Amino acid sequence: AQRVTQPEKLLSVFKGAPVELKCNYSYSGSPELFWYVQYSRQRLQLLLRHISRESIKGFTADLNKGETSFHLKKPFAQEEDSAMYYCALIQGAQKLVFGQGTRLTINP
Amino acid sequence: EPEVTQTPSHQVTQMGQEVILRCVPISNHLYFYWYRQILGQKVEFLVSFYNNEISEKSEIFDDQFSVERPDGSNFTLKIRSTKLEDSAMYFCASSGWRGRAGVFFGSGTQLSVL
Repeated sequence: AQRVTQPEKLLSVFKGAPVELKCNYSYSGSPELFWYVQYSRQRLQLLLRHISRESIKGFTADLNKGETSFHLKKPFAQEEDSAMYYCALIQGAQKLVFGQGTRLTINP
Repeated sequence: EPEVTQTPSHQVTQMGQEVILRCVPISNHLYFYWYRQILGQKVEFLVSFYNNEISEKSEIFDDQFSVERPDGSNFTLKIRSTKLEDSAMYFCASSGWRGRAGVFFGSGTQLSVL
């Protein structure tokens, strides 16, 4: 079965430190992966798509098929990065399968 | 920037009552979805809707649930007879062609069943 695993429920780093939020997946075929972010009391926002290889708000994520991972990284954390982060993959044509989410807290 | 809008933001209902959650997807999107998130749990897929019919549904989406696109702009989720375990945040979402460019979410309706 397709599954997304985010092993860390909570992650706390200091401002200016590097951030890595882990995401592993199991999927038969070529996965399409996404990162979503949810700031306090706001909607789920699309942060990154692996197909576009973009950098948004300083975040990047590289698909590693050998390790079945799609970790989210940022070299220098900012306080406004504190939020809930969800990794997800598209199953079939449309259905998103989400990980449990990681709550990132950036300490001043 | 266009957004998915949901109303109401909070809904409180008594067990056994019917509720309708409303959504206006992004106007040029073709696929519409409902997801839910029970407190402390992951976001779960409920149903997808394309070309005026359900294209996929999860095990959660039983006979108590139904969706409708009554007028070409609104997309609704109806729960016929609510149960305590239906209490959750319900997210509406929409996407363009097959979701590859991303699925865009509304801000959610917090449903509390008492």
